[in-house]
Amino acid sequence: GQQVMQIPQYQHVQEGEDFTTYCNSSTTLSNIQWYKQRPGGHPVFLIQLVKSGEVKKQKRLTFQFGEAKKNSSLHITATQTTDVGTYFCAGRERGGTYKYIFGTGTRLKVLA
Amino acid sequence: DSGVTQTPKHLITATGQRVTLRCSPRSGDLSVYWYQQSLDQGLQFLIQYYNGEERAKGNILERFSAQQFPDLHSELNLSSLELGDSALYFCASSHDSNYGYTFGSGTRLTVV
Repeated sequence: GQQVMQIPQYQHVQEGEDFTTYCNSSTTLSNIQWYKQRPGGHPVFLIQLVKSGEVKKQKRLTFQFGEAKKNSSLHITATQTTDVGTYFCAGRERGGTYKYIFGTGTRLKVLA
Repeated sequence: DSGVTQTPKHLITATGQRVTLRCSPRSGDLSVYWYQQSLDQGLQFLIQYYNGEERAKGNILERFSAQQFPDLHSELNLSSLELGDSALYFCASSHDSNYGYTFGSGTRLTVV
């Protein structure tokens, strides 16, 4: 079945450093979503990417969908302590399935 | 408040017992999704309902079942509970599969 992997699993950065998490699907995706889960919280929807090669920005966050629609990345510029949490990608498989498969997540810690 | 209501927030029960988790989706959302998140783990998709009908199934155990009622609220029933069923169970809703999910705050189940 469809698998979605993320790397790295954990990342510690100094405040002000950049951070990137990568998401790879075993199958071609119709679209991909990104979520953030703060410690002790629930996942919160950040963004959805649909088109091949699509790039979207939200302030310091840049999201990219690969040309082959099998991978995606989230880049945070100049991290802040408020960026702490686990970032999940979630892919919807191309071909009519309705469910999103969540990636394994990348836990980000930001050291002040 | 995300608009998705899950009850109860915490549940402690013994092995072999049966519990019911309840979810009320955000107003206007027709789809309900159930996910299981074990300690420090990712989100495992269990099942999806759309407007009362089962639409997609994930790795849901036979001991688990769910349904969505005419008023669109959903219940997840877990029976013959085992220690390994201890986890955070999230419900999420969306208008349809092309929109991001809105997650509830989860039910933390502890089986002792």
